[in-house]
Amino acid sequence: AQSVSQHNHHVILSEAASLELGCNYSYGGTVNLFWYVQYPGQHLQLLLKYFSGDPLVKGIKGFEAEFIKSKFSFNLRKPSVQWSDTAEYFCAVNTYTSGTYKYIFGTGTRLKVLA
Amino acid sequence: NAGVTQTPKFRVLKTGQSMTLLCAQDMNHEYMYWYRQDPGMGLRLIHYSVGEGTTAKGEVPDGYNVSRLKKQNFLLGLESAAPSQTSVYFCASKEVGSRGEQYFGPGTRLTVT
Repeated sequence: AQSVSQHNHHVILSEAASLELGCNYSYGGTVNLFWYVQYPGQHLQLLLKYFSGDPLVKGIKGFEAEFIKSKFSFNLRKPSVQWSDTAEYFCAVNTYTSGTYKYIFGTGTRLKVLA
Repeated sequence: NAGVTQTPKFRVLKTGQSMTLLCAQDMNHEYMYWYRQDPGMGLRLIHYSVGEGTTAKGEVPDGYNVSRLKKQNFLLGLESAAPSQTSVYFCASKEVGSRGEQYFGPGTRLTVT
């Protein structure tokens, strides 16, 4: 079965530290990949997405993600986090199987940035 | 555009009561989804719809029913609420095809006592 794994459930960083959140998926076909962010008390918003082309994708607020097909990974990175990046981050994969698009979310990584 | 809206924002139910959550979108999206979000479990898909008049089961459909009578609305019903259905419910919509992102509503916080 298709799945998305986010191995880091909770991450605590100090401001200005670098961030990398892991995301691995299990699906052998073509995928579209997404990272969403949920700030405290708010709904999910798109951070960035990958469909094709350059595997390094840049999103909003200085975030970027790299698609490594051989590793089935789509890790999220930010060189220097800010207190305002405190949020929960979700990786998602959109696949196409048997004539149906299937959207799968990971379980999320809760990031806390200390001022 | 309002995007995706959800009604109500908060609700407290007693066990056995019923209620309907309303999701509305004004982006003319074909696909709509209902998720529940629980601590440590991420988003779990309850039901979804790929167009007006169609619905399908997701990962955790038991205890819920849905209807998509109009393209812009997607209703989630709880016929007999249980404490295990205490959660935050999010609706989302997406355009047809693989490239669309999902647009989420603000959520409904439901407590069943």
